[in-house]
Amino acid sequence: QKEVEQNSGPLSVPEGAIASLNCTYSDRVSQSFFWYRQYSGKSPELIMSIYSNGDKEDGRFTAQLNKASQYVSLLIRDSQPSDSATYLCAVIYYGQNFVFGPGTRLSVLP
Amino acid sequence: NAGVMQNPRHLVRRRGQEARLRCSPMKGHSHVYWYRQLPEEGLKFMVYLQKENIIDESGMPKERFSAEFPKEGPSILRIQQVVRGDSAAYFCASSLDRNTEAFFGQGTRLTVV
Repeated sequence: QKEVEQNSGPLSVPEGAIASLNCTYSDRVSQSFFWYRQYSGKSPELIMSIYSNGDKEDGRFTAQLNKASQYVSLLIRDSQPSDSATYLCAVIYYGQNFVFGPGTRLSVLP
Repeated sequence: NAGVMQNPRHLVRRRGQEARLRCSPMKGHSHVYWYRQLPEEGLKFMVYLQKENIIDESGMPKERFSAEFPKEGPSILRIQQVVRGDSAAYFCASSLDRNTEAFFGQGTRLTVV
């Protein structure tokens, strides 16, 4: 099965800063990309989906997709302590189902 | 519009017993995925089903584990003769079709004693 890689954490940022989370994948044919947030002991929650090159903004969150370089990133502006969680990148590879990365743990320090 | 419903939320089984985990997808969703997660680890894909069909079971152990998604009723993940190593959180997710976002249920925490 193809892999999805994420920058290893934990990532610590001060409150109010921008948190940048990165994800790389291995197949240029992939069309669907997702970011999920998972709090400890809880189930993953969908934050963003992105299907085409460029940026997609939703509130404080911006997803960026670059298919030529095969990476997708998530920016969190004005980070809050409540954003502290593990962020999972997921890719649907052609002919396969959702493949999740190992996750990056984010800590936002008050 | 109810989300993905999983039950039970917590399940305790003795070694050798059977565990049945249920997942009702979101209304209108016909694609179901099952994942297993150990503490402090990532999501491990187990099986992908579409109504009455298993599409991909490459992540499911060949023995003791089975899954179904009948025409009527919830998807069932069945683990026979459970062992301590089966203790984990099992998550189900559903999607409208193959290439769109999937939404997760709250999970079933299985503990084998």
